[in-house]
Amino acid sequence: QVQLVQSGAEVKKPGASVKVSCKASGYSFTSYDINWVRQAAGQGLEWMGWMNPYSANTGYAQKFQGRVTMTKNTSISTAYMELSSLTSEDTAVYYCARVATPIANWFDPWGQGTLVTVSS
Amino acid sequence: EIVLTQSPGTLSLSPGERATLSCRASQSVTGSYLAWYQQKPGQAPRLLIYGASSRATGIPDRFSGSGSGTDFTLTISRLEPEDFAVYYCQQYGSSPWTFGQGTKVEVK
Repeated sequence: QVQLVQSGAEVKKPGASVKVSCKASGYSFTSYDINWVRQAAGQGLEWMGWMNPYSANTGYAQKFQGRVTMTKNTSISTAYMELSSLTSEDTAVYYCARVATPIANWFDPWGQGTLVTVSS
Repeated sequence: EIVLTQSPGTLSLSPGERATLSCRASQSVTGSYLAWYQQKPGQAPRLLIYGASSRATGIPDRFSGSGSGTDFTLTISRLEPEDFAVYYCQQYGSSPWTFGQGTKVEVK
């Protein structure tokens, strides 16, 4: 079955960077965009950006421009999201999500989430 | 950027009752490209509805979506115990994709 499995929880200090991985299985990795969405505790969902695993093209939400980088390793069907210059406001659960079809941008399935805690 | 406003913030209902959730967009959503997700505590969101009214695979028919333009609705015809959760709408017609702030459906 189609599945996205993310890396484990991270604790980072302010100013550091974090890199979260998202390993895909059960489908052709290069055929579907991967999106990243985050959720602070008790808050709603915030879209961060997308990456096309075939072309490596990306699109980032303006809020994260210059601070986020989305990459991939096709040989191991894994997408990555790196966020730099972390502050306490970046403490959140980060989700990867695949688009449901190659031509439409609703998300299905989602990874299980990765908790990133930023604390001194 | 399209802002999605969900109402009410919290809906207190009993099992068996009907739930009606609203999602209003700040501008027209292209092609009715609107999805609904359900999220339970400690879990990732789960897709319920896409294209405003199409149920995702495996979603019970008590869930239905409707609407177009700027006004969309998710209806749960008869609440089951497992339906008490937070629901989010998402538009994917115009980048950046955006989510509503969520509606919590709680047990009355």
